[in-house]
Amino acid sequence: SQQGEEDPQALSIQEGENATMNCSYKTSINNLQWYRQNSGRGLVHLILIRSNEREKHSGRLRVTLDTSKKSSSLLITASRAADTASYFCATTDSSYKLIFGSGTRLLVRP
Amino acid sequence: GAVVSQHPSWVICKSGTSVKIECRSLDFQATTMFWYRQFPKQSLMLMATSNEGSKATYEQGVEKDKFLINHASLTLSTLTVTSAHPEDSSFYICSAPRDLNTEAFFGQGTRLTVV
Repeated sequence: SQQGEEDPQALSIQEGENATMNCSYKTSINNLQWYRQNSGRGLVHLILIRSNEREKHSGRLRVTLDTSKKSSSLLITASRAADTASYFCATTDSSYKLIFGSGTRLLVRP
Repeated sequence: GAVVSQHPSWVICKSGTSVKIECRSLDFQATTMFWYRQFPKQSLMLMATSNEGSKATYEQGVEKDKFLINHASLTLSTLTVTSAHPEDSSFYICSAPRDLNTEAFFGQGTRLTVV
């Protein structure tokens, strides 16, 4: 990827379990965003966290940001089969460019 | 809310022909738009920054003569894949930011298949 890596590359869990994905990036950022992509389709914006924020919640999603470690995590609680998708973190700086991480493919087994 | 519309959603073309993809911001003016390419099971790679009224800025390794970008108005950017080859088959998607600390708005994407 152009910005950083995500791990794991792939994650398979049982419905009801929690899923945690991690993202690392390389440069200073203005904000970090998480997106979901269903197979072969467009992107769905999940959550945005600004560089001066440390944690943010949205429904079953919890995002943390550690700018000192240049890392972020996305936690999906009580996963559902419909959460099966690829998840990407993306960072922006003052140029508005959105640079994506390598992505995590999540499979939630019913 | 703000919407970005991309057209076509899919296209099949013969090797050697050119294909134009349009990206429109529907209810806001976008002086800057971005074009991305995504190969199967890979992430989105930024190809270029489209600037209204000026030349596009291309990322390293992206051929500007092959991927022509035109941003003639505040609501429309086009990407033309010239002399397409099978290796250009990919998912192309555009985005338009509105504010620095709000989500970026993405088009629906275009799946290009070159045969």
